[in-house]
Amino acid sequence: EPEVTQTPSHQVTQMGQEVILRCVPISNHLYFYWYRQILGQKVEFLVSFYNNEISEKSEIFDDQFSVERPDGSNFTLKIRSTKLEDSAMYFCASKLEGQTSGGTEAFFGQGTRLTVV
Amino acid sequence: GQNIDQPTEMTATEGAIVQINCTYQTSGFNGLFWYQQHAGEAPTFLSYNVLDGLEEKGRFSSFLSRSKGYSYLLLKELQMKDSASYLCAVCRDSNYQLIWGAGTKLIIKP
Repeated sequence: EPEVTQTPSHQVTQMGQEVILRCVPISNHLYFYWYRQILGQKVEFLVSFYNNEISEKSEIFDDQFSVERPDGSNFTLKIRSTKLEDSAMYFCASKLEGQTSGGTEAFFGQGTRLTVV
Repeated sequence: GQNIDQPTEMTATEGAIVQINCTYQTSGFNGLFWYQQHAGEAPTFLSYNVLDGLEEKGRFSSFLSRSKGYSYLLLKELQMKDSASYLCAVCRDSNYQLIWGAGTKLIIKP
């Protein structure tokens, strides 16, 4: 069964450093998403991406964050200068269609646990 | 504002039935999802409702009432592996910006 893969599974970084979280969405999917979940808290939407551009982003997704699809397979989330409060599990998701119809759902990767020290 | 409420924790017995409720107030509605999340893992899709009524899928069923801003997830014949958090999420628009509830931790006892 096709799946979304994320690397690394766990990343520890020092405050102020840049990190890049990598995702390989399901190959024929067209819509890509990043979510995050701070330990013990809700899952939060960060950004959606379609046709090589951001289609929507939340207020969490400030200038420190950026996304890229550098080639046909990878989808990356970059945090330029990490803060302690960026420590969270980051989930990538992909979806075949943008419209939520017929129960089409997003498939989530297993997440990258980011720890900022 | 956006608000999704679900109970924090529920306990049920193996083999029994449990209903997890979710109420929502959101600006825009394009469907409600239920996801299961085991500790430290990614959410996995359980069900999707966009029209009023009951959707049944094996041991799991989900119900939606749009006029009441209410949904529930019904789990039958509970198994120990059903111990997990159950997340209610509302999709506000076609961009799949899901608004998530805090999740209901379901504890199954033998």
